[in-house]
Parts: sequence; C-alpha cells; structure tokens
Amino acid sequence: GQQVMQIPQYQHVQEGEDFTTYCNSSTTLSNIQWYKQRPGGHPVFLIQLVKSGEVKKQKRLTFQFGEAKKNSSLHITATQTTDVGTYFCAGRSGGYQKVTFGTGTKLQVIP
Amino acid sequence: EAGVAQSPRYKIIEKRQSVAFWCNPISGHATLYWYQQILGQGPKLLIQFQNNGVVDDSQLPKDRFSAERLKGVDSTLKIQPAKLEDSAVYLCASSLDRQMYQETQYFGPGTRLLVL
Repeated sequence: GQQVMQIPQYQHVQEGEDFTTYCNSSTTLSNIQWYKQRPGGHPVFLIQLVKSGEVKKQKRLTFQFGEAKKNSSLHITATQTTDVGTYFCAGRSGGYQKVTFGTGTKLQVIP
Repeated sequence: EAGVAQSPRYKIIEKRQSVAFWCNPISGHATLYWYQQILGQGPKLLIQFQNNGVVDDSQLPKDRFSAERLKGVDSTLKIQPAKLEDSAVYLCASSLDRQMYQETQYFGPGTRLLVL
C-alpha cells in the first residue's frame, strides 16, 4: 500500500534558526496537505498543495510540492517557540483519494 | 462555527472488554474520517465515510472494529473485544466534501483509550 515517510523524525533547533522537514511518498499524489499537532493536541490544517512544483508561503512557512508529485517540503524561517509541535504531511492518491499521513517530524525549539 | 465533537475524551478498559466512541462532525460536512494515532506515530486512517456510505475501510481490523454513520451525520466506532495494542488516541475528522479544495480535514479533540 501507499507509504508516506518524513525526515527527520526529530529536530531540535535554537530559536531563530531555520527548520525543514521532507515528505516522500511511494506513489504519485493528487494533492498533499500539511498539518501541525501541538503536544497533547489534535492535527490542525496548515495548507494544501495541488499542482506539480507548487510553492506556497504563509508568513515564515514555505511549502513546496515536487515536480513528480511524490515529495513535498515544509521550511520554517527563523523558528519561534510557538512553532513547537509535530508536523505531518498527508497525501491523497488513488481512485477513492485515500489519505495517508506521514510519519511526522517533531520540532523542538530551544529558547 | 462549532468544531468536531468527540466523546468520551478518555476511556480505560480491560482487554477483551468492549468500547464505543462517538463523533459529531461539523454541520454540513459530507465526509467523516476515523483515525487511530498510536503514541509517536502519525494518524492511521481506519475508515472514511462519504455521507452514510463507506469510501475506504481497508485498514479497519474488521474482526474487532466496526463503525457506522447513521443518517450521514453522527458516527460511532466500536471495538469488541479490545486488545492491549488498541491503546491509542482515536481521532475523528470531517471535511466539507471529497472534491478538490474542499478536503481540509477538521479534527476533533480525540478519545484517548487505554487498554489494560
């Protein structure tokens, strides 16, 4: 079945440093979404990417969808303590648009 | 706008017992999802409903798990009998539709299940 892997699994950064997480799918995706989950909380939608090579920005966050629509990345510029949490990508593929969440990247920001 | 509601928030049971979770999606949302999230892992889709029909249940352990969505609104997820490895957070999510650009999933707070 479809697998979605994320690297790294964990990342500790000093506040103000940049952070990037990568998402790789075993199959071509029709779209990809990114979610953030704070400790003890539930996933919260950040953004959806649909087009090959698409790049979207939200303030300090930059999201990219690969040309082959099999990978994606999330880059945070100048991290803040409020960025702490686990970032998940979620890809859809197949006739029923089945959604598969990635393994997640847990971000810790050291003040 | 009210969010996705789930109950109970916490449940502790012994193995081989039964348990049921309830979810009320955002009003008007056609698609409802149940996920299992084991500690330290990403959410795993168990079942997806479109209105009251099942779209995908390929990862639902059907020998012990069942789910229904009566009248295309509320949904219940049942485990019978529970095993130790069922200890997880069970998340319910809903989205407006399965059509592109309407697939943003809104998650409920989850039910934290501990099986002893």
